[in-house]
Amino acid sequence: DTAVSQTPKYLVTQMGNDKSIKCEQNLGHDTMYWYKQDSKKFLKIMFSYNNKELIINETVPNRFSPKSPDKAHLNLHINSLELGDSAVYFCASRASGSSYNEQFFGPGTRLTVL
Amino acid sequence: KQEVTQIPAALSVPEGENLVLNCSFTDSAIYNLQWFRQDPGKGLTSLLLIQSSQREQTSGRLNASLDKSSGRSTLYIAASQPGDSATYLCAVSDNTDKLIFGTGTRLQVFP
Repeated sequence: DTAVSQTPKYLVTQMGNDKSIKCEQNLGHDTMYWYKQDSKKFLKIMFSYNNKELIINETVPNRFSPKSPDKAHLNLHINSLELGDSAVYFCASRASGSSYNEQFFGPGTRLTVL
Repeated sequence: KQEVTQIPAALSVPEGENLVLNCSFTDSAIYNLQWFRQDPGKGLTSLLLIQSSQREQTSGRLNASLDKSSGRSTLYIAASQPGDSATYLCAVSDNTDKLIFGTGTRLQVFP
């Protein structure tokens, strides 16, 4: 009965590689997000999608390309990984029609670039 | 540009104490404010959400208040327990839909 799930949970890779992180939500939400938590534990939004359409892009390098095949999924592909990409990446979702506007977060993917 | 600050950065208290975590934000034009809990190596668990028109929300031993005009929110934890040990994050959202997070308060409750 997982609400927002992410795969993989851990990802260790070499500099220069290309990798993807997947996110799925079974809450019936239509808006999904990617956040990055850096080594100092500071959380910052990267992207948001509503009904598969990109809404927010917070000046993230174009090596990061989100893709939403349907409104239940939002994947994050990263090209040419750099050391500074090491972080925990969180996916979140919410129902845009809800006046409550609460966001629900996944368990995170810890990316380590060597 | 909205900035969110949390004080204190870390807090260590004995079990049973009532405690207050503080969150301040620079732009009062918020849509809502959300308090989260993050356990080490885990994701974020939403604790309470206060809409901009509300003054407070309560859930069990937790009470969150919001003073939008002064840019402040507090999270009150009654009768703290060791299981409350975690990092507490507040985040505000505006009409652009993104959450802007604070720096967090790391709480340790010892037996």
